Amino acid sequence: QKEVEQDPGPLSVPEGAIVSLNCTYSNSAFQYFMWYRQYSRKGPELLMYTYSSGNKEDGRFTAQVDKSSKYISLFIRDSQPSDSATYLCAMKGDYKLSFGAGTTVTVRA
Amino acid sequence: DVKVTQSSRYLVKRTGEKVFLECVQDMDHENMFWYRQDPGLGLRLIYFSYDVKMKEKGDIPEGYSVSREKKERFSLILESASTNQTSMYLCASSSGGQETQYFGPGTRLLVL
Repeated sequence: QKEVEQDPGPLSVPEGAIVSLNCTYSNSAFQYFMWYRQYSRKGPELLMYTYSSGNKEDGRFTAQVDKSSKYISLFIRDSQPSDSATYLCAMKGDYKLSFGAGTTVTVRA
Repeated sequence: DVKVTQSSRYLVKRTGEKVFLECVQDMDHENMFWYRQDPGLGLRLIYFSYDVKMKEKGDIPEGYSVSREKKERFSLILESASTNQTSMYLCASSSGGQETQYFGPGTRLLVL
């Protein structure tokens, strides 16, 4: 069983829709949670970072962490075509990050 | 802004060749990492380094080695390239007390 499970999609939504992305994990030692966005043929860039259960907002993006259920989510409101990318969840316990496989999102104009 | 650069965006090599992938960061970060990214598998850690001349194996170190002679530079070496090493290679760096990592643009390596 992988430490981090992420539905690979692909996910296709119309412009303006809410995008919902999820990851589950099995390692209770994970304390830090991140979402990265990766455009085609580029390296991942950090989108959101949180270390506590609950919600964290940044503009159109909301990261949600539920440590008791070992479940994290990323919501994108009012999605735009420029949000089309692969989204990777990442988690850290001790010294290294563990990544989900990534979900590819396409926002249709 | 943190900048992580990788020496090549695309490389084509033949089986058995020795391959060098170079990574440079300009933010004086202590930690540097090499990952490979494959469809459906996500990012897998090959090696990392938390100081000059220090290295630690990640999850998939077989067939790879690394070198860190200077703080800003971390090299990944494929001693004898094989076709199953065809992949996207990503370098990342982070500060000592920082959880987040900053990535380079990646090198797409094709081994024929």
